[in-house]
Amino acid sequence: QQQVKQSPQSLIVQKGGISIINCAYENTAFDYFPWYQQFPGKGPALLIAIRPDVSEKKEGRFTISFNKSAKQFSLHIMDSQPGDSATYFCAASIQSYQLIWGAGTKLIIKP
Amino acid sequence: GAVVSQHPSWVICKSGTSVKIECRSLDFQATTMFWYRQFPKQSLMLMATSNEGSKATYEQGVEKDKFLINHASLTLSTLTVTSAHPEDSSFYICSATGLRASYEQYFGPGTRLTVT
Repeated sequence: QQQVKQSPQSLIVQKGGISIINCAYENTAFDYFPWYQQFPGKGPALLIAIRPDVSEKKEGRFTISFNKSAKQFSLHIMDSQPGDSATYFCAASIQSYQLIWGAGTKLIIKP
Repeated sequence: GAVVSQHPSWVICKSGTSVKIECRSLDFQATTMFWYRQFPKQSLMLMATSNEGSKATYEQGVEKDKFLINHASLTLSTLTVTSAHPEDSSFYICSATGLRASYEQYFGPGTRLTVT
């Protein structure tokens, strides 16, 4: 009930392509869904977040798509660049409190 | 944006000694701070949650006598690993949330602890 399932575990995308990472949850009480980007040896950095009252949020090349009925949300990275190569984590929480984390996706952008 | 710092960024200590890691919110008041542990190629594992002026709440399986957490002010929380052993070697990360941060969690850069 508290899990957040993230896929794929790893992803290789050509430069300029679209990277898509998916997450699914069970607990309908979750009301905050952030995505974090983590580079090796660094702490996670908040990338973009969404609340369930909207179906999509875009910030630059990053877009979250949210499907409340399917209990799924995804991160789309448009025009992927080598600098986007990192590990991405989705998460979910109730009122932005304790985060429940996905397992992470290692993204590699090939030049 | 909201900035969280950690000190030290890396530390090597001998088995049996204690190590203190500091977590500071630099430009906002952190009403709640979280401490995580991360093993290589794994997700973050929440260790404990601390509210300013209160005792920390530890997750199941985390030894509170081994991992001492103090949240004495709205900008500082400390994690002390007592009597460290090689199995305590890990990447420790703090995060903070508060009114100015719009209740979003902002993470520190992490501390790499190696116990020899």
